[in-house]
Amino acid sequence: EDQVTQSPEALRLQEGESSSLNCSYTVSGLRGLFWYRQDPGKGPEFLFTLYSAGEEKEKERLKATLTKKESFLHITAPKPEDSATYLCAVQARAGKSTFGDGTTLTVKP
Amino acid sequence: GAVVSQHPSWVICKSGTSVKIECRSLDFQATTMFWYRQFPKQSLMLMATSNEGSKATYEQGVEKDKFLINHASLTLSTLTVTSAHPEDSSFYICSARNALAGEPDTQYFGPGTRLTVL
Repeated sequence: EDQVTQSPEALRLQEGESSSLNCSYTVSGLRGLFWYRQDPGKGPEFLFTLYSAGEEKEKERLKATLTKKESFLHITAPKPEDSATYLCAVQARAGKSTFGDGTTLTVKP
Repeated sequence: GAVVSQHPSWVICKSGTSVKIECRSLDFQATTMFWYRQFPKQSLMLMATSNEGSKATYEQGVEKDKFLINHASLTLSTLTVTSAHPEDSSFYICSARNALAGEPDTQYFGPGTRLTVL
């Protein structure tokens, strides 16, 4: 059975304090790994899709990386507006997606 | 691009009534749409997958007679909660995937619908 484990469950940072969120996964044939941002009471907002180990993608202060067992979402010099829950999901070759429970990030000014 | 809308954004209904939620892909054709349910401080729980013109595939434990899904066109899917009860109160979110896009596996999510059953 495909599994996604995100850590930490919650992360509190000071503004400007860089850190990383982890997404560990086991999947029967990875087709893609996805990162989303979700604000309270809203649907997830797409951030990145990664397909193969070694791949990296960047968007503003966020950078996602992928290995054969895990993915990291690096946040550089975060701002309070980066506060949200970050969700990781994997899609197996069979086509089904599995979501992690998310990491809730709070950035204090 | 890749915008998904949902309507209504929130709904309050009496126990025993049915509620319909619409999910639309505004600027692309959604070959596949998904319906999720999310409880407070929990992750997304997939309810069903629907392909345009086909019957939806429901996840184990999801009652297909209670949660009716219709995907009649490439831009519209509907979820009808029939004879709703308080335990059906939740945040329902749809997503859409475009198999013809550059990243065909990426799901784009709607803003969600908050259902409260009294």
